[in-house]
Amino acid sequence: NSKVIQTPRYLVKGQGQKAKMRCIPEKGHPVVFWYQQNKNNEFKFLINFQNQEVLQQIDMTEKRFSAECPSNSPCSLEIQSSEAGDSALYLCASGTGGPNERLFFGHGTKLSVL
Amino acid sequence: GDQVEQSPSALSLHEGTGSALRCNFTTTMRAVQWFRKNSRGSLINLFYLASGTKENGRLKSAFDSKERYSTLHIRDAQLEDSGTYFCAAEGPGSFNKLTFGAGTRLAVCP
Repeated sequence: NSKVIQTPRYLVKGQGQKAKMRCIPEKGHPVVFWYQQNKNNEFKFLINFQNQEVLQQIDMTEKRFSAECPSNSPCSLEIQSSEAGDSALYLCASGTGGPNERLFFGHGTKLSVL
Repeated sequence: GDQVEQSPSALSLHEGTGSALRCNFTTTMRAVQWFRKNSRGSLINLFYLASGTKENGRLKSAFDSKERYSTLHIRDAQLEDSGTYFCAAEGPGSFNKLTFGAGTRLAVCP
């Protein structure tokens, strides 16, 4: 179903450490989203891109995360200083960005902050 | 902010039976998508609807923007249908940003 590739599948970090995860969107998809899904299955939108440009991001992302989608390289999302509350599944999704178009999700990166 | 209320939170079905999941929206949504998270953790896109109904095999979904709801009907449930189902809605002008429901955990039993 989905050709969005996320790495690593699992990530374990200590508090205060950087945590970086990557996403290769489906070929031809210029729009990329990052969501955080917590243990209660609640999704939180983090940031989205169209090509290399940030379209929207929440306050937390702007302050504590570093994210980019460079051309010809995987997109990345990096927490600058991990906190216990950052433990979650981080999902990347891509789409064409056009009207009536679906989003396709990767398997996610499960981050555990010890 | 936009709210998506999904029900039921959990559902148990015997093989061969069917039921419906529902999402109510507190505001007018432009479109809805339905996903299933399977046992491997993959989030599978089932439907995208901007209006009306769509059917795919044993699944059928409807979306009414004016009445602010969407449904997902499952008929002749099979064991492999087990998983957590999520609806996710796009608000107007949200540029595909989705607001997810809390999910419905479906267990299909022999």
